[in-house]
Amino acid sequence: DTEVTQTPKHLVMGMTNKKSLKCEQHMGHRAMYWYKQKAKKPPELMFVYSYEKLSINESVPSRFSPECPNSSLLNLHLHALQPEDSALYLCASRQVEGDQPQHFGDGTRLSIL
Amino acid sequence: KQEVTQIPAALSVPEGENLVLNCSFTDSAIYNLQWFRQDPGKGLTSLLLIQSSQREQTSGRLNASLDKSSGRSTLYIAASQPGDSATYLCAVLNYGQNFVFGPGTRLSVLP
Repeated sequence: DTEVTQTPKHLVMGMTNKKSLKCEQHMGHRAMYWYKQKAKKPPELMFVYSYEKLSINESVPSRFSPECPNSSLLNLHLHALQPEDSALYLCASRQVEGDQPQHFGDGTRLSIL
Repeated sequence: KQEVTQIPAALSVPEGENLVLNCSFTDSAIYNLQWFRQDPGKGLTSLLLIQSSQREQTSGRLNASLDKSSGRSTLYIAASQPGDSATYLCAVLNYGQNFVFGPGTRLSVLP
């Protein structure tokens, strides 16, 4: 079991749908991350929330929008996605102080029809 | 721009062998380097983290070394087992607080 919980585990949606991916951690970590991973490729960083400050990978399209309601939760809102957005979406968290490791969730497998 | 590479891309060994996975990075200005394991369709499991001031870390049959000046890290797996079969990824944390991953090494340990 992972200490970072992602829901749902699987999501199938049409290109006109609006959905959200959720990530939760209760380890008191102050940095949370969203990654996109295509098959047989490494994870690519999409967004970082560190001390409630958002950093964005400029290559990420605007149809992805993160939201951080509080320090334990990080959502990823999806709207008007394209088939090439089908991937495994991974959330991670990390305690910034003390040079601590990243902890990953099990991911959400997203399929766009 | 930081670039991370891993050699070999894939490796198949018989059970019991000792093996070495390699990770190289182009910018030595890093906070730390982390090794992960990923099973198919799953998230990443942290194996070892080496801080920039450290030379190596050990956990069970795993030993990771870091030579920051030359931009290299190795993951040594002793007495490999079929359960070690997975993709192994290294990631460096840059001073910009962004992680950059290598492409991974796909390991198969044959019984």
